[in-house]
Amino acid sequence: QVQLQESGPGLVKPSGTLSLTCAVSGDSISSTNWWSWVRQPPGKGLEWIGEIYHGGNTNYNPSLTSRVTISVDQSKNQFSLKLTSVTAADTAVYYCARDHSSSSLDYWGHGTLVTVSS
Amino acid sequence: ENVLTQSPGTLSLSPGERVTLSCRASQSVRSSYLAWYQQKPGQAPRLLIYGASSRATGIPDRFSGSGSGTDFSLTISRLEPEDFAVYYCQQYGSSPKTFGQGTKVEIK
Repeated sequence: QVQLQESGPGLVKPSGTLSLTCAVSGDSISSTNWWSWVRQPPGKGLEWIGEIYHGGNTNYNPSLTSRVTISVDQSKNQFSLKLTSVTAADTAVYYCARDHSSSSLDYWGHGTLVTVSS
Repeated sequence: ENVLTQSPGTLSLSPGERVTLSCRASQSVRSSYLAWYQQKPGQAPRLLIYGASSRATGIPDRFSGSGSGTDFSLTISRLEPEDFAVYYCQQYGSSPKTFGQGTKVEIK
C-alpha cells in the first residue's frame, strides 16, 4: 500500500521560507510516477503547486513559479517543497500526492496545515 | 492555463436521489485527462474517476464519469449518506494541472 506523509513546521513567519518534506512508502520515488504538491487555503478549493519526476524534471504553477522549488531525494525516498517570501495568503493545508500519469493523483498524504503569521 | 468551471456550486439533495455534477473547461482537455475527486471535511481528496470515465480502485459503481473535449460530468446514481461531500474536477492533460472550484453536495 502506497503511503505519503508530509512533515515540516506548522508556523512560518511572513517573508520567510516554507519547507515541507513528503516521505513515500510502498513505492519507489524512482518509479515511473510524478510526485506532486497541492494546497488548500482554509475553507477554499484545491490549488496545484507543482510536480517532480525522479530525474529532476519539474513543472510548476505559473502563479508560484518565481517562489517555489520542488526537489527529490532518492536515497531517502522522499521529495520536498520550498516556498519563499511567504505571506498570509500562503496559509493552507499542504498535501503531497503521487501522480500516476494516466490516472492523476491516486495517492495522497493526510495534509499538513502551515500558518504564515508573526 | 485551462480554467475549469464547476456547476452548480451547491446541491441540496436527499439520500437515494440521482445527481449529476458538471465541469466545463476553457480549452479542450487533452486525451480526456479529466479526474474527479471527493473530499470530506478534515480529509484529503480521494480519487474517484480518471480519464473522464474510469473508476479508481475500490470506487463503487454508483459513481460514473462521462464527457470529452470541454464538457464533463460526474453522476452518482443513488446518493448514499457517505456521498455528501465536496467534489472537484481536475484536468491533467496540460500544465498547470488545474482544479475546478468544487461542488458541494449537502443533505437536504
